[in-house]
Amino acid sequence: EAGVTQFPSHSVIEKGQTVTLRCDPISGHDNLYWYRRVMGKEIKFLLHFVKESKQDESGMPNNRFLAERTGGTYSTLKVQPAELEDSGVYFCASSQTRSFDTQYFGPGTRLTVL
Amino acid sequence: AQSVTQLGSHVSVSEGALVLLRCNYSSSVPPYLFWYVQYPNQGLQLLLKYTSAATLVKGINGFEAEFKKSETSFHLTKPSAHMSDAAEYFCAVIAPNAGNNRKLIWGLGTSLAVNP
Repeated sequence: EAGVTQFPSHSVIEKGQTVTLRCDPISGHDNLYWYRRVMGKEIKFLLHFVKESKQDESGMPNNRFLAERTGGTYSTLKVQPAELEDSGVYFCASSQTRSFDTQYFGPGTRLTVL
Repeated sequence: AQSVTQLGSHVSVSEGALVLLRCNYSSSVPPYLFWYVQYPNQGLQLLLKYTSAATLVKGINGFEAEFKKSETSFHLTKPSAHMSDAAEYFCAVIAPNAGNNRKLIWGLGTSLAVNP
């Protein structure tokens, strides 16, 4: 069974540019999460999809961040325009439907905004 | 608000020594508790989880953790460290009244070094 995959693994962009991160969850997992770790700080929740619907987007920093999950499959997280403070590692995770199922994580995308 | 404290951002042990990584949570009602590990250049991997069953939880790679309600703790231990245990370890919780909001709340992480 393939795990959670994320693309790209690294992205270096300049302030003001746009970047789109992609996450492919484990097949059949309805729940998809995005988290972010800024250097020196704890991992923080960004949002949670159940299938194609946003269940909880309370962690999204501001309206420069847009997340979508097309047809309840893969998800994208777009940052437009990127700011310096957006640098960090963006993790995606997926889980099955039952409560408190294990969240399986991808390897993360390291975003550097210069 | 729920929070997680991991004491010690860096822990160093000798190979074969006991590993003890500390985690305390802030909640009057016990949350669901998790330990994840991140090996170099890899994603986060679940080590073990507590979801209100047995208080002593056994995980992968010889790790275990004990839930102590009176101490609001969920410390991670391993009797004998291996070089391959060098990694970053994260304690995380899901609030007990989370309902459908299953977001993980994380500690800062502890980087474990194992010396030969």
